[in-house]
Amino acid sequence: AQKVTQAQTEISVVEKEDVTLDCVYETRDTTYYLFWYKQPPSGELVFLIRRNSFDEQNEISGRYSWNFQKSTSSFNFTITASQVVDSAVYFCALKAGGTSYGKLTFGQGTILTVHP
Amino acid sequence: DGGITQSPKYLFRKEGQNVTLSCEQNLNHDAMYWYRQDPGQGLRLIYYSQIVNDFQKGDIAEGYSVSREKKESFPLTVTSAQKNPTAFYLCASSLQTRGEKLFFGSGTQLSVL
Repeated sequence: AQKVTQAQTEISVVEKEDVTLDCVYETRDTTYYLFWYKQPPSGELVFLIRRNSFDEQNEISGRYSWNFQKSTSSFNFTITASQVVDSAVYFCALKAGGTSYGKLTFGQGTILTVHP
Repeated sequence: DGGITQSPKYLFRKEGQNVTLSCEQNLNHDAMYWYRQDPGQGLRLIYYSQIVNDFQKGDIAEGYSVSREKKESFPLTVTSAQKNPTAFYLCASSLQTRGEKLFFGSGTQLSVL
């Protein structure tokens, strides 16, 4: 069985602060994919990043960066110099196994509020 | 523009009533999904379909039904057997390749009158 845990239910920061969202996953499969999605107040989930289990290279995209560590089963997400527009619910998700359909296991989500 | 359209945005259900949520995609994706989102919880899979005329139960299928008569459409019916239907419902689609990302619609908020 797969499981994703986002221990931080809510985070509140002031604009320009850096913030890290934690994600810990569980799976017995050696091949798996990890995702981060952003859900703004409009409701639609927006894809941010995908990482496969064979690629532990960290990634930076503008103010966003991701730290994938198989040794600790973690896939953390950092926003540098946060902005009010970053306020949203962020979900970490896992797809494990060799099946082709995109059935994802989601974490509970972290509500990020960035104050001006 | 390609995307997923869900309607209506808000829906109200009376006691004992079945209601249907619409989901249409023009991304030419084979796979489509329905997820339920409750406050403080992650998304949970209700049903998914990998191909037309075929669909599979997800983790919480009881009280729901679906059909997939066309590639573009995957409607979800919330039946009277679903005793706690109040939730935010999200439809998604994807290509049929390993690890493919999901594209989501903007959701339907269902409430009970």
